[in-house]
Amino acid sequence: GQQLNQSPQSMFIQEGEDVSMNCTSSSIFNTWLWYKQDPGEGPVLLIALYKAGELTSNGRLTAQFGITRKDSFLNISASIPSDVGIYFCAVSPLPQTSYDKVIFGPGTSLSVIP
Amino acid sequence: EPEVTQTPSHQVTQMGQEVILRCVPISNHLYFYWYRQILGQKVEFLVSFYNNEISEKSEIFDDQFSVERPDGSNFTLKIRSTKLEDSAMYFCASSAIRATGELFFGEGSRLTVL
Repeated sequence: GQQLNQSPQSMFIQEGEDVSMNCTSSSIFNTWLWYKQDPGEGPVLLIALYKAGELTSNGRLTAQFGITRKDSFLNISASIPSDVGIYFCAVSPLPQTSYDKVIFGPGTSLSVIP
Repeated sequence: EPEVTQTPSHQVTQMGQEVILRCVPISNHLYFYWYRQILGQKVEFLVSFYNNEISEKSEIFDDQFSVERPDGSNFTLKIRSTKLEDSAMYFCASSAIRATGELFFGEGSRLTVL
């Protein structure tokens, strides 16, 4: 079935460092999304990407939709303690197969050391 | 800011018992979803619901599961006869526009089956 791979699985960084994580798939998708999940809460949408090659920023976060439509990366600049959490990439499948199902990756767990 | 609310936050039940998880989606949203997250694992799609009917469901969503929108505000997930492996966080989500992947999640209901 459709599957996403995220790397790294976990990261431990010092406060103030930049972070980079990525997500890949063997299938093409038209929409790539990045969500963050804080402990004990539901995922929250950070960035949505709808066009191959698109680079989008949201504050200290920057994400890109890969040209091949099979990957995306998320960068966080100057990390702070509240960046701690699990970052999920997600894709919305092609309209020919599904309109409604959003598929989530396994997540990258980020820990920030003050 | 409008939000998705879920009740109960935690439910403990005996195997074989029926469970109903409740959700109040954001008021002007038309598309509703249930997702499941087993501890430490990824967020998995269960079902989507639009115009008072299921629009898509996953292989996890078998005959033991059902969803309902009994009135204009609530959206419920029923598990008829719970199994040990149903223990998970169940997240309700809603969206205003179809096929964008932009979901608003509630804080989740933790189900523990003993």
